[in-house]
Amino acid sequence: EAGVAQSPRYKIIEKRQSVAFWCNPISGHATLYWYQQILGQGPKLLIQFQNNGVVDDSQLPKDRFSAERLKGVDSTLKIQPAKLEDSAVYLCASSFGLGETQYFGPGTRLLVL
Amino acid sequence: KNEVEQSPQNLTAQEGEFITINCSYSVGISALHWLQQHPGGGIVSLFMLSSGKKKHGRLIATINIQEKHSSLHITASHPRDSAVYICAVSPGGSNYKLTFGKGTLLTVNP
Repeated sequence: EAGVAQSPRYKIIEKRQSVAFWCNPISGHATLYWYQQILGQGPKLLIQFQNNGVVDDSQLPKDRFSAERLKGVDSTLKIQPAKLEDSAVYLCASSFGLGETQYFGPGTRLLVL
Repeated sequence: KNEVEQSPQNLTAQEGEFITINCSYSVGISALHWLQQHPGGGIVSLFMLSSGKKKHGRLIATINIQEKHSSLHITASHPRDSAVYICAVSPGGSNYKLTFGKGTLLTVNP
């Protein structure tokens, strides 16, 4: 069974630039999560989808972050414009349903200069 | 104060030693998760438990709901066990959002 795929694995940009991350969840998983993990901290949930609907985006900085999962499968997370404090690993995870075990992708490591 | 506290923050052991990592939480939960994160890698879910004990190979996870405490044990530790171990809790009810601890960095020396 293929795992959660993410791309790119690494990205370096300058502040005020835009960046987008892509996630392909495990086939059949209805629930998809985006997390931000700052160095030395645990992951923080940014947004959670159930199929193509948003379940929780309470911690998403909506002035600069956006995410979509239009067809209920792949998802993209965008930052526009990026700030220095956005430097982090962005993790995508998926689960069969709400409350089920989450499977994490390898993450995208973002460095904002 | 974080809702999920882990101890120790850093742990160095010699190969073969018995390892214990602790997790305390302050909220009611429906489940507690132990996760493993290798440097530069993604996160792997090790255990999800709501009571008692679970064992998988050399890993054992226990939880005491009354004391709001869980432990992750590694028997006969090996250098490949070196990783960050993260405890996370899900509050329950209709709220499945995980709250994560900061993680414990384990280094096992040969």
